Amino acid sequence: GQQVMQIPQYQHVQEGEDFTTYCNSSTTLSNIQWYKQRPGGHPVFLIQLVKSGEVKKQKRLTFQFGEAKKNSSLHITATQTTDVGTYFCAGLLGGNTPLVFGKGTRLSVIA
Amino acid sequence: DGGITQSPKYLFRKEGQNVTLSCEQNLNHDAMYWYRQDPGQGLRLIYYSQIVNDFQKGDIAEGYSVSREKKESFPLTVTSAQKNPTAFYLCASSKLLGRTEAFFGQGTRLTVV
Repeated sequence: GQQVMQIPQYQHVQEGEDFTTYCNSSTTLSNIQWYKQRPGGHPVFLIQLVKSGEVKKQKRLTFQFGEAKKNSSLHITATQTTDVGTYFCAGLLGGNTPLVFGKGTRLSVIA
Repeated sequence: DGGITQSPKYLFRKEGQNVTLSCEQNLNHDAMYWYRQDPGQGLRLIYYSQIVNDFQKGDIAEGYSVSREKKESFPLTVTSAQKNPTAFYLCASSKLLGRTEAFFGQGTRLTVV
């Protein structure tokens, strides 16, 4: 079926370094959502992007939606140990369908 | 205290037995979902429902069944036909299908021995 590709699968960073995860689709997305899952926990909604070229910020997190609405990114500035977890993007391919989740990027932060 | 509740948190079953996982929400959401999570596989959609008495297969529905008799409840049955049932199962709900944020339950870790 339709897929939403997410890279990288894993990322290890030193505390204070920046981190970026990317999400790509071959099909135009109606919207894209981002979720964070802490180790041993469940996914928690972070944000939804709807408009072409949209950029949203939440403290150290910056979310972007591509101009063609086929890609998105999540950037974390100056990572902290509290950022550890798996970050998922989820895209809506249109119509009356559920979101399609990427496989996630697992972030480890070394203090 | 609104939310989505899954029970139990851990479940053990013998091979060949059917098992039903509970999911209840009091958020008045129309859409509900079941996902399976395996290491490195992300979230794979098993079934979803947009409205009471209606549900649709997701990407990996084989060996699973669901019902949606009440708006608040969306139980998942893992049947003996599921070849590899040991996994972490997540239930979620949202106001609208795919267009509003999804709220996830705490998950049920099923182990079949």
